Amino acid sequence: SQTIHQWPATLVQPVGSPLSLECTVEGTSNPNLYWYRQAAGRGLQLLFYSVGIGQISSEVPQNLSASRPQDRQFILSSKKLLLSDSGFYLCAWRTTGSTEAFFGQGTRLTVV
Amino acid sequence: KQEVTQIPAALSVPEGENLVLNCSFTDSAIYNLQWFRQDPGKGLTSLLLIQSSQREQTSGRLNASLDKSSGRSTLYIAASQPGDSATYLCAAAGGTSYGKLTFGQGTILTVHP
Repeated sequence: SQTIHQWPATLVQPVGSPLSLECTVEGTSNPNLYWYRQAAGRGLQLLFYSVGIGQISSEVPQNLSASRPQDRQFILSSKKLLLSDSGFYLCAWRTTGSTEAFFGQGTRLTVV
Repeated sequence: KQEVTQIPAALSVPEGENLVLNCSFTDSAIYNLQWFRQDPGKGLTSLLLIQSSQREQTSGRLNASLDKSSGRSTLYIAASQPGDSATYLCAAAGGTSYGKLTFGQGTILTVHP
């Protein structure tokens, strides 16, 4: 069966520090991968998606970047965090040709 | 640009009640509509997926309907239980969107004993 792993679960980082959140999917190949953010009082917003290794599409301009170095690995990064980067970050995947999306357990990021 | 709205924002009901959560979307050219459950501090659990060609889907005490022409979906929960307490989110996938989802703000459901 397919599973998705996100880590860390919780992170507190100072303003200006770098960020790296990792997401891996098991039990499937060539998935579509997504990063969403859920900010306080706001709905889930799509940040990045990827349909293959090295293929990244950004949905909103921001202080973050994403990379997909391997088929089932999706990384969210920042060189210098801002207070506004605080939020709950969720990784999701979908099998190519399927229509159902599945989500990880999320990372709670607090920038102080 | 797709916009998804969920009503009500919060709902509190006694155990055993049947209830309906509403979701509306502005662009009827959707690929599918998915209902999720989110417990506090947790990720999203997929509850039901309705393809654009379908009218409804059922899973246990849950039934979701889809009316593309009116831009509406409803999630019906029968015989609610305290364990149903969570935030319920609906999300629409666009027709040519690589599976990108547009989410509503969610309905916070509390079922009290």
